[in-house]
Amino acid sequence: DADVTQTPRNRITKTGKRIMLECSQTKGHDRMYWYRQDPGLGLRLIYYSFDVKDINKGEISDGYSVSRQAQAKFSLSLESAIPNQTALYFCATSDFAGTEAFFGQGTRLTVV
Amino acid sequence: EDKVVQSPLSLVVHEGDTVTLNCSYEVTNFRSLLWYKQEKKAPTFLFMLTSSGIEKKSGRLSSILDKKELFSILNITATQTGDSAVYLCAVPRMRTSGSRLTFGEGTQLTVNP
Repeated sequence: DADVTQTPRNRITKTGKRIMLECSQTKGHDRMYWYRQDPGLGLRLIYYSFDVKDINKGEISDGYSVSRQAQAKFSLSLESAIPNQTALYFCATSDFAGTEAFFGQGTRLTVV
Repeated sequence: EDKVVQSPLSLVVHEGDTVTLNCSYEVTNFRSLLWYKQEKKAPTFLFMLTSSGIEKKSGRLSSILDKKELFSILNITATQTGDSAVYLCAVPRMRTSGSRLTFGEGTQLTVNP
């Protein structure tokens, strides 16, 4: 089984729809992250959470929200999807030092 | 503001060539630098560097860190088409409650037969 599991792996949705991307991990890490990746822009941080009661905005949080339901679960929501949110989304976990990150397989989201 | 800059952003070579990818950083409370390889989906971990001047090696890949000049290089010798990928450099950014990773933009390496 994968250490970090993302669902769904692919999703096409319409503009204005609400969508949730889910992430679960078996690493036992407290720290979890959501990134998006666009061609030529690298990985950009959307939100991160250092423990169940801690949620922090990243570099590009507008239009997104998150929920840390448990240590092992961190979900990302798009309240009203728009086409420029079409991207590859990654969930990741790390230990306290953040010296090594474990990534999920990614969710390819297309907003039409 | 902390930042990580990679160069070049894109590189096209022929099989058998040697390539050098660069990563420079400006990060407070530096602890380590990480290299990842990303093919189709999730990045996979390559190296973690913490000490200056000590080379890490894995097969045809090697990496070294220069903490005085604030950069790292990733070398790939005798490149193969399977080395084609995006190579990401990342540095943990320290906070009082822990750290999170800051990534560079990545270098897209294409190895042609």
